[in-house]
Amino acid sequence: GENVEQHPSTLSVQEGDSAVIKCTYSDSASNYFPWYKQELGKGPQLIIDIRSNVGEKKDQRIAVTLNKTAKHFSLHITETQPEDSAVYFCAEHGSSNTGKLIFGQGTTLQVKP
Amino acid sequence: DTAVSQTPKYLVTQMGNDKSIKCEQNLGHDTMYWYKQDSKKFLKIMFSYNNKELIINETVPNRFSPKSPDKAHLNLHINSLELGDSAVYFCASSQGGLVTEAFFGQGTRLTVV
Repeated sequence: GENVEQHPSTLSVQEGDSAVIKCTYSDSASNYFPWYKQELGKGPQLIIDIRSNVGEKKDQRIAVTLNKTAKHFSLHITETQPEDSAVYFCAEHGSSNTGKLIFGQGTTLQVKP
Repeated sequence: DTAVSQTPKYLVTQMGNDKSIKCEQNLGHDTMYWYKQDSKKFLKIMFSYNNKELIINETVPNRFSPKSPDKAHLNLHINSLELGDSAVYFCASSQGGLVTEAFFGQGTRLTVV
């Protein structure tokens, strides 16, 4: 079935430290894995994504890694800043063409100044 | 210039009432969605339309009826509102297919009293 497990549910770090959020998915046909950031009172916004033919992708302070064999993917944020505080969601998109995203449960990240 | 806009942002109504939420996207996307975010921030897809045709209906009660008058608009009508319908409803759009970055609206917080 379609399921994405995300951990941890909450994460508190000091400014400048790194933060790692991990997800596990169940659909082996999944081929697209986006990460969304949701700030208070706003809709989720895509911050980075990775496709199944790539193992790692980096964009400035954020990076995503994918292990298709283990069905794991992770978000890494380095040199965290207070404005990184938000709820982060991982998601998977299966092999269908519907565009349907299955989201993880979300991680509330707090970066303390 | 808002990409995905939905109205209203807040909606407070009594049980048993009927209400509508409207959504418009100016991105030229073919596919639009409704997602529901519950009190634990869990995001789950409800419906998806592609070029005005319903392609996903995730076992949502019949009281929820989406309508897409054209591919830039997707409205959600809810009949006989119940307390459990209280949530934040997000409209989103994407190009569909395998290029599936989804753009979300700012959400409509529905409170049923």
